[in-house]
Amino acid sequence: GAVVSQHPSRVICKSGTSVKIECRSLDFQATTMFWYRQFPKQSLMLMATSNEGSKATYEQGVEKDKFLINHASLTLSTLTVTSAHPEDSSFYICSALPVGTGTEAFFGQGTRLTVV
Amino acid sequence: GQNIDQPTEMTATEGAIVQINCTYQTSGFNGLFWYQQHAGEAPTFLSYNVLDGLEEKGRFSSFLSRSKGYSYLLLKELQMKDSASYLCAVLLGYKLSFGAGTTVTVRA
Repeated sequence: GAVVSQHPSRVICKSGTSVKIECRSLDFQATTMFWYRQFPKQSLMLMATSNEGSKATYEQGVEKDKFLINHASLTLSTLTVTSAHPEDSSFYICSALPVGTGTEAFFGQGTRLTVV
Repeated sequence: GQNIDQPTEMTATEGAIVQINCTYQTSGFNGLFWYQQHAGEAPTFLSYNVLDGLEEKGRFSSFLSRSKGYSYLLLKELQMKDSASYLCAVLLGYKLSFGAGTTVTVRA
């Protein structure tokens, strides 16, 4: 099956620093990747849609200057949380939509970010 | 906004059957997914319905009625490892909109 690798799985950073999370599709190409955030005991909330070679589309209420998304190739999208604060601590999950399909996107393992 | 409702919690006994309902009122519809998510892990795909009716896959079945904006996930022969959160998600275009999830606890 299609595999999406997300790295790192866990990261602890100091308040005010930036953290980069990578999302890679290992055995397929993805022009579209999605970034979600999930707070404890809540569901996944879509943050942004990442499109290869173009700017990401952010959902309402998500600060694009704080959550920088780069999708430079068909197999890699990155999310950078800039100037992180404790309230950014969350579970971040990516998913990738294989080229040529319009339905099932495959999820990465998730990244647990803790800002201290 | 999109409205996707499912019960918060359900408890059942090992070996029993549990049905998780999901109702939705959305601005579009391109299909409905069910995912299983264990704490601290990413969701794993269970089923996808785009046409009305029942889809059966082993111990798990999923049903969809588009006219009623309704779906359910049926888990049979419950096992302890089925204790998890189950997420209903509606595909809108190519984006998924998730319900809040139903936490299922399986007791011996």
